[in-house]
Amino acid sequence: DTAVSQTPKYLVTQMGNDKSIKCEQNLGHDTMYWYKQDSKKFLKIMFSYNNKELIINETVPNRFSPKSPDKAHLNLHINSLELGDSAVYFCASSPLAAREDTQYFGPGTRLTVL
Amino acid sequence: SQKIEQNSEALNIQEGKTATLTCNYTNYSPAYLQWYRQDPGRGPVFLLLIRENEKEKRKERLKVTFDTTLKQSLFHITASQPADSATYLCAYYNQGGKLIFGQGTELSVKP
Repeated sequence: DTAVSQTPKYLVTQMGNDKSIKCEQNLGHDTMYWYKQDSKKFLKIMFSYNNKELIINETVPNRFSPKSPDKAHLNLHINSLELGDSAVYFCASSPLAAREDTQYFGPGTRLTVL
Repeated sequence: SQKIEQNSEALNIQEGKTATLTCNYTNYSPAYLQWYRQDPGRGPVFLLLIRENEKEKRKERLKVTFDTTLKQSLFHITASQPADSATYLCAYYNQGGKLIFGQGTELSVKP
């Protein structure tokens, strides 16, 4: 049983295009996250939703727009892709948004912008 | 600013030895520290959580310590195996509720 799934696994696209990454969790968790992992392997939070409400919105260009249609899904839409957007994007979920919460990560989406 | 530092250099050890990974943090005193494992091409997987009032936590061959005076956590894998080869990340939630990660230490266990 897949706990946190993301599609697609790989995404190769041209600069200037718009693309979306989808995420679903079947753990019944209330909170979902998007992270970006750059080439230096740093994992940085981008957004967090709790029960479909945005609770964390890091300093991310407005070209990135998350959408949570329900608490099991969190999608990431990126407009006007740039070379610097190339990275691995991870979706994650946790039961609540508490400081003891462990997070469950998806397999990642490797985005390459040419 | 808040920072977590882990050994950026890879750690190479022989099978059967104990691997010790270090996590140092500055400018914040987290109540909990977490350790994750990340394999190439995969997402991080949670391993252990330690609270500030716990000096040590164990799970099978894994042991984590938390020294709030030194602002340091140590992660030990005893009787290491090649299957333990991975990148290990430490993390804590900051006061804004964000999980902050170190850059990870890559461990390679040679047979």
